[in-house]
Amino acid sequence: AQSVSQHNHHVILSEAASLELGCNYSYGGTVNLFWYVQYPGQHLQLLLKYFSGDPLVKGIKGFEAEFIKSKFSFNLRKPSVQWSDTAEYFCAVNAAYTGGFKTIFGAGTRLFVKA
Amino acid sequence: DADVTQTPRNRITKTGKRIMLECSQTKGHDRMYWYRQDPGLGLRLIYYSFDVKDINKGEISDGYSVSRQAQAKFSLSLESAIPNQTALYFCATSDSTARSSNEQFFGPGTRLTVL
Repeated sequence: AQSVSQHNHHVILSEAASLELGCNYSYGGTVNLFWYVQYPGQHLQLLLKYFSGDPLVKGIKGFEAEFIKSKFSFNLRKPSVQWSDTAEYFCAVNAAYTGGFKTIFGAGTRLFVKA
Repeated sequence: DADVTQTPRNRITKTGKRIMLECSQTKGHDRMYWYRQDPGLGLRLIYYSFDVKDINKGEISDGYSVSRQAQAKFSLSLESAIPNQTALYFCATSDSTARSSNEQFFGPGTRLTVL
């Protein structure tokens, strides 16, 4: 069965620290990859996405992610986090299955940035 | 972003009651989705609809039903609510005609508590 794994459920960092959140998926075909962010009390918003082309994609607020096909990974990175990055981050994978396409979300990673 | 709206935003109800959660969108998207979010489990798909005459079960449809009254409206019903349906519910939309057709846009969520 298709699955999306986010290895860290909770991450605590100090401001200016670097961030990397892991995301691995289990699917051998063509995929579209997403990172969504959910700030406290708000709905999910798209942070960045990968469809094709350059495997290093840049999103909003200084975030980037790298698609490594051989590792089935799409890790999220930011060189220097800010207190305002405190949020929950969800990796999502959209892939073909019998009957169409389906998007599967990871369990989420809660990031807390200390001021 | 008021393009996808959900009502009510919060609801407390008792076991056995029938509850309807409503979702409306002004984005003109043809696809709509209902998810529930539980801590540590991420988002799980309950039902989805690719157009007005198309309704599909997601991974956790038991205990839920949906109605796609119009392209812009997609409601979720709990016929007889039970406590383990206490969760945060999100509606989402996507546009099948867009290049990034698998990107989803989320509503603000409905927090449902079943006592």
